[in-house]
Amino acid sequence: EIVLTQSPATLPLSPGERATLSCRASQSVSSSLVWYQQKPGQAPRLLIYGVSNRATGIPARFSGSGSGTDFTLTISSLEPEDFAVYYCQQGVSWPATFGQGTKVEIK
Amino acid sequence: QVELVESGGGVVQPGRSLRLSCAASGFTFGRSGMHWVRQAPGKGLEWVAIIWFDGSKTYYADSVEGRFTISRDNFKNTLYLQLNSLGAEDTAIYYCARDFRTGWIDYWGQGALVTVSS
Repeated sequence: EIVLTQSPATLPLSPGERATLSCRASQSVSSSLVWYQQKPGQAPRLLIYGVSNRATGIPARFSGSGSGTDFTLTISSLEPEDFAVYYCQQGVSWPATFGQGTKVEIK
Repeated sequence: QVELVESGGGVVQPGRSLRLSCAASGFTFGRSGMHWVRQAPGKGLEWVAIIWFDGSKTYYADSVEGRFTISRDNFKNTLYLQLNSLGAEDTAIYYCARDFRTGWIDYWGQGALVTVSS
């Protein structure tokens, strides 16, 4: 099973600041890496697929990068609605696995 | 638009069984793989299972292998999850979700809460 480790667990930032979230895999996932956003009481929402492709309707301030085992989700300038929990997930091998999440909170 | 509606959740005693259903609409169900993902209260997401578009393949998380069974009825546009030998660790919101390019998820239902308690 591929283990995904996200860091930091919590990221306190202010609106307008840049957020950088990390996801590290225990072995290569090639480009089969996606990011989701989850707000309290809601189902997750797809943000980024295939490392760097924004899903439909996702603003350009969200971007993804990386390859192999190290991946990054960047939010260039935080909007109030971006404070949420973010999860990475790999689909290169079964079982699929999620990272434990990074909570972006208001400082 | 894509809609996934889970049902069948509730309170169940340890060791008992439960079947979740997910009614799909707004897309060609028989052409999409489908997932179940769960989330324990206050915890992160845990992938549970996937079934191929035609039901020919299934994969499970180690934590549910041998106890849970994913299945589908493409005529009824419905996904199922049979949960057997339930324990407290299975208490969670169970999400039905549509597969996107095998292994990724592009649409999620709102979830069904399963509580295992005596």
